Amino acid sequence: DSGVTQTPKHLITATGQRVTLRCSPRSGDLSVYWYQQSLDQGLQFLIHYYNGEERAKGNILERFSAQQFPDLHSELNLSSLELGDSALYFCASSVVMSGGVTDTQYFGPGTRLTVL
Amino acid sequence: GQNIDQPTEMTATEGAIVQINCTYQTSGFNGLFWYQQHAGEAPTFLSYNVLDGLEEKGRFSSFLSRSKGYSYLLLKELQMKDSASYLCAVRPGGFKTIFGAGTRLFVKA
Repeated sequence: DSGVTQTPKHLITATGQRVTLRCSPRSGDLSVYWYQQSLDQGLQFLIHYYNGEERAKGNILERFSAQQFPDLHSELNLSSLELGDSALYFCASSVVMSGGVTDTQYFGPGTRLTVL
Repeated sequence: GQNIDQPTEMTATEGAIVQINCTYQTSGFNGLFWYQQHAGEAPTFLSYNVLDGLEEKGRFSSFLSRSKGYSYLLLKELQMKDSASYLCAVRPGGFKTIFGAGTRLFVKA
């Protein structure tokens, strides 16, 4: 158990809908990262927050948005869902953001999103 | 651009040693991580290298050559439970982490 929690574990929805995925980082971690992993593909970095502020964006679609709240939990919002958005969405947290071994990312169990 | 290359699949025998290679071309370098990921599960941290050389941790070792843009993960005394994907990830600087596509390792009896 990494200490990172994600809810829900599974989500099944229809095209065009909107969903919210939630992540609680490990106690004391200020950085939260979101990744998408499609079937048989690598982890695609979506976005990074540090202490409530967005710090980096990867290949995140405009239909997707995220935020990190004062209590450091984070939410990833996916809207106008398409079949291709079906994937595992992982959240990871780390202590800092500046590199080094303390920037090791610890991953939550993921949310499996299925868009029908 | 940023690029990380790993073999797609490898097969090894229980009790043997296997080396999984990773080469990277990134705009900068601020550390390399190896993660293990079982199918459908979260990646779990294995090792971290930022300086050239070998880091040993039990049955797992990781090597880095920054001048060559090269790393490997060495797994000794392979066990069936080591069957998983192994992800090489590079921190090029800034706040992003670039993950390779992963190497799927099959351990056979």
